[in-house]
Amino acid sequence: GAGVSQTPSNKVTEKGKYVELRCDPISGHTALYWYRQSLGQGPEFLIYFQGTGAADDSGLPNDRFFAVRPEGSVSTLKIQRTERGDSAVYLCASSPSGTEGNEQFFGPGTRLTVL
Amino acid sequence: AQSVTQLDSHVSVSEGTPVLLRCNYSSSYSPSLFWYVQHPNKGLQLLLKYTSAATLVKGINGFEAEFKKSETSFHLTKPSAHMSDAAEYFCVVTDNYGQNFVFGPGTRLSVLP
Repeated sequence: GAGVSQTPSNKVTEKGKYVELRCDPISGHTALYWYRQSLGQGPEFLIYFQGTGAADDSGLPNDRFFAVRPEGSVSTLKIQRTERGDSAVYLCASSPSGTEGNEQFFGPGTRLTVL
Repeated sequence: AQSVTQLDSHVSVSEGTPVLLRCNYSSSYSPSLFWYVQHPNKGLQLLLKYTSAATLVKGINGFEAEFKKSETSFHLTKPSAHMSDAAEYFCVVTDNYGQNFVFGPGTRLSVLP
């Protein structure tokens, strides 16, 4: 079956611009997660959705970052006034529910480069 | 808060020899633990997970890990390395709420012919 997909695979933008990154989770998965992976590091948690609502957004670094999941499936991560430090791979994952011990299925990521 | 330490940033082994990737965690309760592998330009793939059942966990591709609560460790092993095992490996612990993953910094495994 289809896995988690993310678009675009690569995004190059200029400092100060606005970007949107899209995630299509596995069909039927209620939990959706966003992570950010900087070069040479492990992924860092950004935000977690259970259905349409953000159950935990404690990982968002500042108010330039925002994410939505209006219909409980596709999610969009939005970054305003991008900075060079935002350059990273943004990973999306989904799981059947938010229950502890559930495997998270990861997408291939979007590589964001801010010039 | 939960945290993960992966003691080696890079491990190099010869093909056919054993693999040991070390992981220690910090948690205020009994967490779930995972190992994920990331091949270049590919997504993270689950190798195995521990969720308070058997302490010795077997995963895909011949990997296994043993949960040792007294040592707060969850080391990953494989008896015989294959060239295709060369990748980045991440040890993961769940957070207090059991949903969010806390990743270690990763260990890059190189397999020499």
